[in-house]
Amino acid sequence: QKEVEQNSGPLSVPEGAIASLNCTYSDRGSQSFFWYRQYSGKSPELIMFIYSNGDKEDGRFTAQLNKASQYVSLLIRDSQPSDSATYLCAVNFSGGYNKLIFGAGTRLAVHP
Amino acid sequence: DVKVTQSSRYLVKRTGEKVFLECVQDMDHENMFWYRQDPGLGLRLIYFSYDVKMKEKGDIPEGYSVSREKKERFSLILESASTNQTSMYLCATRGGRPDTQYFGPGTRLTVL
Repeated sequence: QKEVEQNSGPLSVPEGAIASLNCTYSDRGSQSFFWYRQYSGKSPELIMFIYSNGDKEDGRFTAQLNKASQYVSLLIRDSQPSDSATYLCAVNFSGGYNKLIFGAGTRLAVHP
Repeated sequence: DVKVTQSSRYLVKRTGEKVFLECVQDMDHENMFWYRQDPGLGLRLIYFSYDVKMKEKGDIPEGYSVSREKKERFSLILESASTNQTSMYLCATRGGRPDTQYFGPGTRLTVL
């Protein structure tokens, strides 16, 4: 069973804090990992991707990957109310057709 | 930029009607997908297509069919709409750099 697990939240953080979103996956052979942000009533948009173990930074966002632990996370520094959204983790599982497996998403609420 | 468009943002239909949802992409991607998204259930894959005239069932194909006569166009068909098909429908393509899924704006379908 191909699974991507996320805590549904809501994760509530104050403005300016670091938000930490976590994701675990079941396929040890997975090679590429993605984070999408989805505002209420809108479609998911890609915000980060990571292929190698370690950290990848892009502005206020940092993706972290630990393949040995089958764990990927997204850190949002200096959180803003505009970051309030649902964040979907997606994993490209090995084998099969080119489709991603999505987690159910973590809802983030940043309060002023 | 990848552009994925969907025929309608909002649609209201009656039970028993045949419903067509259309998705068009302009990036020459081979893989296209239809999902539905419901609160608390995340993204659920209905059908996907990896080439013209090719289709594969996803996790919840019952009550749906698809058509892909041209590479850029992927249609989702509800043969006889039912109230439990009220949902947000999202089309996506796969490809590009990074090689991942890119979503259209979604169609919020209400079946009365």
